[in-house]
Amino acid sequence: AQSVTQLGSHVSVSEGALVLLRCNYSSSVPPYLFWYVQYPNQGLQLLLKYTSAATLVKGINGFEAEFKKSETSFHLTKPSAHMSDAAEYFCAVSEGGNNRLAFGKGNQVVVIP
Amino acid sequence: GAGVSQSPRYKVAKRGQDVALRCDPISGHVSLFWYQQALGQGPEFLTYFQNEAQLDKSGLPSDRFFAERPEGSVSTLKIQRTQQEDSAVYLCASSVGTARYEKLFFGSGTQLSVL
Repeated sequence: AQSVTQLGSHVSVSEGALVLLRCNYSSSVPPYLFWYVQYPNQGLQLLLKYTSAATLVKGINGFEAEFKKSETSFHLTKPSAHMSDAAEYFCAVSEGGNNRLAFGKGNQVVVIP
Repeated sequence: GAGVSQSPRYKVAKRGQDVALRCDPISGHVSLFWYQQALGQGPEFLTYFQNEAQLDKSGLPSDRFFAERPEGSVSTLKIQRTQQEDSAVYLCASSVGTARYEKLFFGSGTQLSVL
């Protein structure tokens, strides 16, 4: 079985500061990993995904994540936070024979001006 | 439409009532998923369709939950004899194919409140 751990439900970051959201996973098979973002009153949108092509993955809106097999991690970063980054962020791992996802509990990001 | 559409956006039900939640996926998408998202939690898998075939219903919490996708497009999630613990946001997602690395497109969800 696969699972995802995201610590710290609420994350506050100052505008212009580094955004770092941690994700650790467990998987019995080579994982496919995803970060999704949910803006208020909108559906989840894909930020980026790891599919084994490259360990450093770049996504939309300046976000990137690095897959580290030895640490079973897939942390999400953005060098400089913008007010528009305020949203909820979910890490997910693909499990099973289809693209069914197991999600973490999410991080609510608040950007302080 | 351009995205995944879910209706109604909000549903209030009295305990014991039956409810039906609709999902209109992106046209041509083979895979369709239902997830349940409780307050403060991540989405939890309920069931999966490949076209009209329900290939995985292992996440349905009880036999009160039933889903269908009879023509391989629109899907309906039905909850019979609703209970307070059914209160959650129900998310529908679709994808073009069936591979494990595919991007899911999510609807905005139906927020169900059972009183």
